[in-house]
Amino acid sequence: DVQLVESGGSLVQPGGSLRLSCVGSGFMFSDYYMEWVRQGPGKGLEWVGRSKNKRYSPPTEYAASVKGRFTISRDDSKNSLYLQMTSLKTDDTAVYFCARSRGSYYGFDIWGQGTLVTVSS
Amino acid sequence: DIQVTQSPSFLSASVGDTVTITCRASQGIYTYLAWYQQKPGNAPKLLIYAASALQSGVPSRFSGSASGTEFTLTISSLQPEDFATYYCQQLNTYPLTFGGGTKVEVK
Repeated sequence: DVQLVESGGSLVQPGGSLRLSCVGSGFMFSDYYMEWVRQGPGKGLEWVGRSKNKRYSPPTEYAASVKGRFTISRDDSKNSLYLQMTSLKTDDTAVYFCARSRGSYYGFDIWGQGTLVTVSS
Repeated sequence: DIQVTQSPSFLSASVGDTVTITCRASQGIYTYLAWYQQKPGNAPKLLIYAASALQSGVPSRFSGSASGTEFTLTISSLQPEDFATYYCQQLNTYPLTFGGGTKVEVK
């Protein structure tokens, strides 16, 4: 089965850091764009950023709300996507989903179950 | 940034109804628009991509259309499992942006 599984969510204090992971299985991970999307409590969906496959440059894109604080990386040898989050704010509290995309034309066709990040003192 | 204005925010309907949800983009996005369904506690599910292409495995009662910067999701003959929140997303320009969502509730 094609699957994405996120991990790493937890409670963190404002100003702190956290790294989320997303592991893919059942597909050729290196062929795909990989995305991070978040959803605050009771709120809508917000795109966080994208990791393009190695054929494209620049390799990553970010939403303005996280640029300079969050870093997306991937290790295709481990079928893994990462989201390094620093200088966390209470507004970053959300469920973080990773998702797969064949490219912008095709939307995000496979999603993980999400991992909860709570930023609170 | 391209704004995507989705309407209505809430919609009450009955099983068997045909429902229509609209998204309007603030700039031209060609057909780089997708529709998702999300049920409480679950991840979103892709329904439509490229404005009108049905994702594999999605029932044919779901359809999408485009006219300029206005995009429409239509659900024909609403089924009990279709009560959910629906989101559109533009993928033409960074940052990628979602509409605010439409919650389809039981009348």
